[in-house]
Amino acid sequence: EPEVTQTPSHQVTQMGQEVILRCVPISNHLYFYWYRQILGQKVEFLVSFYNNEISEKSEIFDDQFSVERPDGSNFTLKIRSTKLEDSAMYFCASSESTGRNNEQFFGPGTRLTVL
Amino acid sequence: GEDVEQSLFLSVREGDSSVINCTYTDSSSTYLYWYKQEPGAGLQLLTYIFSNMDMKQDQRLTVLLNKKDKHLSLRIADTQTGDSAIYFCAESPYSGAGSYQLTFGKGTKLSVIP
Repeated sequence: EPEVTQTPSHQVTQMGQEVILRCVPISNHLYFYWYRQILGQKVEFLVSFYNNEISEKSEIFDDQFSVERPDGSNFTLKIRSTKLEDSAMYFCASSESTGRNNEQFFGPGTRLTVL
Repeated sequence: GEDVEQSLFLSVREGDSSVINCTYTDSSSTYLYWYKQEPGAGLQLLTYIFSNMDMKQDQRLTVLLNKKDKHLSLRIADTQTGDSAIYFCAESPYSGAGSYQLTFGKGTKLSVIP
């Protein structure tokens, strides 16, 4: 069964460093998402991406964040200068369409720890 | 703004029914979802309900929707130890920008006692 994969599973970085979180969405999916979950808090939407551009982004997704689909398979989230409060689990998701029943398939997440 | 609330913990005995409750705020949500997260895994869609329905049954799962009270519940019949996981309620209000971002609750951790 096709699935969304994410690497690495755990990333530890120093405050101020850049990190890139990688995702491989399901191959025939066209819509891609990033969500994050700070420990003990809700899963929060960050950004959606379609046709090589951002469709929508939340208030969390500020200038420190960027997304890219560098090739036909990867979808990346870059945080330019990490802060302590960026420590969270980051989930990538993809969906075939963005219709009202757009089942979003989630990856297992990358746990980012900023020291 | 959108908000989804759920209780954080639920503990049941194996074989009993589990009921996980959720309240949401955005009446524009056309679909409401239940996701399951097992340890170390991603969020797996369990079931969803269209907002013009009151109930949906899928094997051991029953979803009840009270649109007037904006209350959603997930009932798991004959709960098994393999059902132990975190269950997330989610809504997808239409933002007007063409996408249906999901708004999640904090998740309810279901513990099944053998």
